[in-house]
Amino acid sequence: LAKTTQPISMDSYEGQEVNITCSHNNIATNDYITWYQQFPSQGPRFIIQGYKTKVTNEVASLFIPADRKSSTLSLPRVSLSDTAVYYCLVVLNQAGTALIFGKGTTLSVSS
Amino acid sequence: KAGVTQTPRYLIKTRGQQVTLSCSPISGHRSVSWYQQTPGQGLQFLFEYFSETQRNKGNFPGRFSGRQFSNSRSEMNVSTLELGDSALYLCASSLEGTTTDTQYFGPGTRLTVL
Repeated sequence: LAKTTQPISMDSYEGQEVNITCSHNNIATNDYITWYQQFPSQGPRFIIQGYKTKVTNEVASLFIPADRKSSTLSLPRVSLSDTAVYYCLVVLNQAGTALIFGKGTTLSVSS
Repeated sequence: KAGVTQTPRYLIKTRGQQVTLSCSPISGHRSVSWYQQTPGQGLQFLFEYFSETQRNKGNFPGRFSGRQFSNSRSEMNVSTLELGDSALYLCASSLEGTTTDTQYFGPGTRLTVL
């Protein structure tokens, strides 16, 4: 099972770009990298998922280098409402889902 | 489209009792997963159901069980409650539960065991 390591916390100011890096050294060939966001007392919310290179959607970008041993979630121009815990997950390519969450990164955005 | 709903939202029980939590997935979703979240252990996978069958199981004791009905609604049961079972229990649904399916989480049920 691929273990993920990400910073425990990060601080930013409104309007800045935030990059959260996650390492997953023993990721398997068919595994995907997925990021979730969680606000206090709410369920996690899917942000983005990727397999290699770069993926972009309306809220974030995900950069995955060729060796896939790490990935970087990029949040452009964060606002106060982006203050949350961000989880990096390696999702096993198997029948059925079992999301394995790590400790996550607590992002604090201030004005 | 309505999201994942969980009932009840809050529950207080005493040690030794049992509890049943309910989850209604998004319409059309056939996979339902359950997670436990505590400050100490974080988010932990309990089990996943697909087409009324348990397909994956996490590392929890047998006191934790679940089931899924033909309409994809799911229940989880915890018997002989312990203080350590106090947690936020989250349910997530997805279309088929495949690797690239997005998991949609409900708001959770906050269980307090006294």
